[in-house]
Amino acid sequence: SAVISQKPSRDICQRGTSLTIQCQVDSQVTMMFWYRQQPGQSLTLIATANQGSEATYESGFVIDKFPISRPNLTFSTLTVSNMSPEDSSIYLCSVLQGKAFFGQGTRLTVV
Amino acid sequence: SQELEQSPQSLIVQEGKNLTINCTSSKTLYGLYWYKQKYGEGLIFLMMLQKGGEEKSHEKITAKLDEKKQQSSLHITASQPSHAGIYLCGADKRGGSNYKLTFGKGTLLTVNP
Repeated sequence: SAVISQKPSRDICQRGTSLTIQCQVDSQVTMMFWYRQQPGQSLTLIATANQGSEATYESGFVIDKFPISRPNLTFSTLTVSNMSPEDSSIYLCSVLQGKAFFGQGTRLTVV
Repeated sequence: SQELEQSPQSLIVQEGKNLTINCTSSKTLYGLYWYKQKYGEGLIFLMMLQKGGEEKSHEKITAKLDEKKQQSSLHITASQPSHAGIYLCGADKRGGSNYKLTFGKGTLLTVNP
């Protein structure tokens, strides 16, 4: 099974700033996914990140707000830009390797 | 979009008791995942079900997918405090060649010693 490391595990940020979340996988994977889990809500897919192409965003999510990089088959970053308190959530990366595996998540609080 | 309804939303049981969590979809489920999430943490994979009527067990947890592949249940036998957490069901939402998961809102399980 894939082992996924996410950094940071948590952060408190000022509104208007940006935070970049890193996701490192211990093996090469084709597809990586970024999810958001708002307080009291379930996980919502933000985008699919494939190496060598632009990320594919789900309805309601845009690249300007959530730019994603996927420089190789083991690494991806998600940036939460121009943050507001509504962006306070847990952000999780996921990879598909037979089944879907998840990182430990990044708990973001925007003040 | 494929909506997943989980019930109950929360559950409090005494240690040693059995319990069942349900996950229902309005559409056929191509793949049904069960995950456990400790508060504020990532998801731990429990089981994946794909075939109608399929049943899988791991330790004291059993998951089933009904024949119509629209409902799944997760059953815990002789619950322990270590079973406490949020249980999430997720469904394979196939769109072309991508495998995207849609999740229910989760069931918060508390096990009192």
